[in-house]
Amino acid sequence: EPEVTQTPSHQVTQMGQEVILRCVPISNHLYFYWYRQILGQKVEFLVSFYNNEISEKSEIFDDQFSVERPDGSNFTLKIRSTKLEDSAMYFCASRDRGNNYGYTFGSGTRLTVV
Amino acid sequence: KNQVEQSPQSLIILEGKNCTLQCNYTVSPFSNLRWYKQDTGRGPVSLTIMTFSENTKSNGRYTATLDADTKQSSLHITASQLSDSASYICVVIAGGTSYGKLTFGQGTILTVHP
Repeated sequence: EPEVTQTPSHQVTQMGQEVILRCVPISNHLYFYWYRQILGQKVEFLVSFYNNEISEKSEIFDDQFSVERPDGSNFTLKIRSTKLEDSAMYFCASRDRGNNYGYTFGSGTRLTVV
Repeated sequence: KNQVEQSPQSLIILEGKNCTLQCNYTVSPFSNLRWYKQDTGRGPVSLTIMTFSENTKSNGRYTATLDADTKQSSLHITASQLSDSASYICVVIAGGTSYGKLTFGQGTILTVHP
């Protein structure tokens, strides 16, 4: 069964450093998402991406965050200057066109900011 | 504001017993509702998907119900197994201009004891 692949599985970074979280969505999917889950809290929407541009973003997704699909297969989330409160699990998801039945999550990247 | 509320927050049952988890939502416009199972440190895995017109859907030992009028859903697990211990998350997918955007409940943590 097709999978959404995320790397790395765990990243530790110092406060103020830039991090890039990588995702390889399912190959024929067209819509891409980033979510995050702070430990003990619910999963929160960050951003959706379609046709090489952001289609919607949440209040969390401020100027420190950016997304990119650099080469047609990878989908990245960059955090420019990490803060302690950015520590969370970050999930990438993708879906196919037309309906939501092909919605698939990756296993997540655990980001720890120290 | 779109919200998804789940109850109970946590549940402990003995192996072999049945249980029912509840979900209330206020997401509008509604597209479909999913129940996910999330093991600790992993991405959510879809159990069932229900559209507006569906009242009941089963997937093995999991049976989900949906009442679109009252905006309530339930997930019934029969003959529980130790491997059912996880967080069960109700997720509602919006339609309209937010097409495909997920709103997550906080999850019910299920623990199955031998």
